[in-house]
Amino acid sequence: GNSVTQMEGPVTLSEEAFLTINCTYTATGYPSLFWYVQYPGEGLQLLLKATKADDKGSNKGFEATYRKETTSFHLEKGSVQVSDSAVYFCALSGAAGNKLTFGGGTRVLVKP
Amino acid sequence: GAVVSQHPSRVICKSGTSVKIECRSLDFQATTMFWYRQFPKKSLMLMATSNEGSKATYEQGVEKDKFLINHASLTLSTLTVTSAHPEDSSFYICSAPGTGDSDTQYFGPGTRLTVL
Repeated sequence: GNSVTQMEGPVTLSEEAFLTINCTYTATGYPSLFWYVQYPGEGLQLLLKATKADDKGSNKGFEATYRKETTSFHLEKGSVQVSDSAVYFCALSGAAGNKLTFGGGTRVLVKP
Repeated sequence: GAVVSQHPSRVICKSGTSVKIECRSLDFQATTMFWYRQFPKKSLMLMATSNEGSKATYEQGVEKDKFLINHASLTLSTLTVTSAHPEDSSFYICSAPGTGDSDTQYFGPGTRLTVL
């Protein structure tokens, strides 16, 4: 079956530091890949997505590239802000009716 | 953008009682909705797929008789936790795929259930 593995947190950074959250997946076929973010006290929001190999998703300074050869979708941001403190979830959607399979989530704390 | 609401946001109930959680798509129609359970500091676990006008599809290991799902209209799905026990305490989240982009899910804010 499908599975998503992402680095465990928490990740603590200083403002303006570089952030990378690793995500790898196993799936049959050609899944779509997502990063969702959950800010404190809020529901999950789509951060970015990529639907085919070599696609790059980007939003709010975050980027992730769909790497089929390494089955990875690592999330990066060059300069984080305190407001980026949240839990980040990597996820994939296979062919079966848009069902999402989530990674374990990575809590990121950015300190001023 | 697409908005999904859940009600209630928090509920506390006694062991043995039943609790109903509503999930609504506010500005779009959803023939399919998904129900997840999120444990503290853990990921989301898909419980079931709610289908408008037909039976829900449950994931392996999820008790159908305990977690009753009804998708009564194109904008409303309900999850009823029957005869709740303390181990059912959790954060329950619903989602619905967007109409223009069915690849993207829109999530409700979640319902915190505490069973005493």
